Amino acid sequence: DTVMTQSPATLSVSPGERATLSCRASQSVSSSLAWYQHKPGQTPRLLIYGASTGATGIPARFSGSGSGTEFTLTISSLQSEDFAVYYCQQYNNWPWTFGQGTKVEIK
Amino acid sequence: EVQLVESGGGLVKPGGSLTLSCAASGFTFSDAWVSWVRQAPGKGLEWVGRIKRKTDGGATYYAAPVKGRFTISRDDSKDTLYLQMNSLKTEDTAVYYCVSSLQYWGQGALVTVSS
Repeated sequence: DTVMTQSPATLSVSPGERATLSCRASQSVSSSLAWYQHKPGQTPRLLIYGASTGATGIPARFSGSGSGTEFTLTISSLQSEDFAVYYCQQYNNWPWTFGQGTKVEIK
Repeated sequence: EVQLVESGGGLVKPGGSLTLSCAASGFTFSDAWVSWVRQAPGKGLEWVGRIKRKTDGGATYYAAPVKGRFTISRDDSKDTLYLQMNSLKTEDTAVYYCVSSLQYWGQGALVTVSS
């Protein structure tokens, strides 16, 4: 299976600051990489697919980059509603797999 | 508006069976590759399995922990996805989500496996 490793596990950020989340794949997933935001009691929300394409309705402050095995999600200026858990997920190799998540919390 | 609505969750004893349904609307269900994803209490997300559209052969794929016990099927005439779960284990306790095209998720159905 393709193991997805996210870092850091927890990121403490002040509102208005930039947040950079990393995701590494144990083998190449090409650009078949998605990022999700998940808040307690809510459905996961697709932010990015194809490693760098924003999903419908996603604010421009969310951006993704990378290919192969190294990926990054950047939130340019954190808003209060952005504090949540973020998951990366590869859909190049079956079984599709998620990272363990990065919790973005208020500093 | 795209909607995915799961039903059929509940409490079941270890070794028991349960079938989840996911009713889709707002898009052409027969054209979609659809999946089940679960989240155990306090854990991260796990892809359970997926099914291709019939025009692509309708093949199913399963994650190792559920292979041989879970079966995914679809009824395109009813715009409905199913997850039949047999030989349930306590570790199958989770919220099960129906997912289409990565972007559209149902609200989830809670399955609790406990004696």
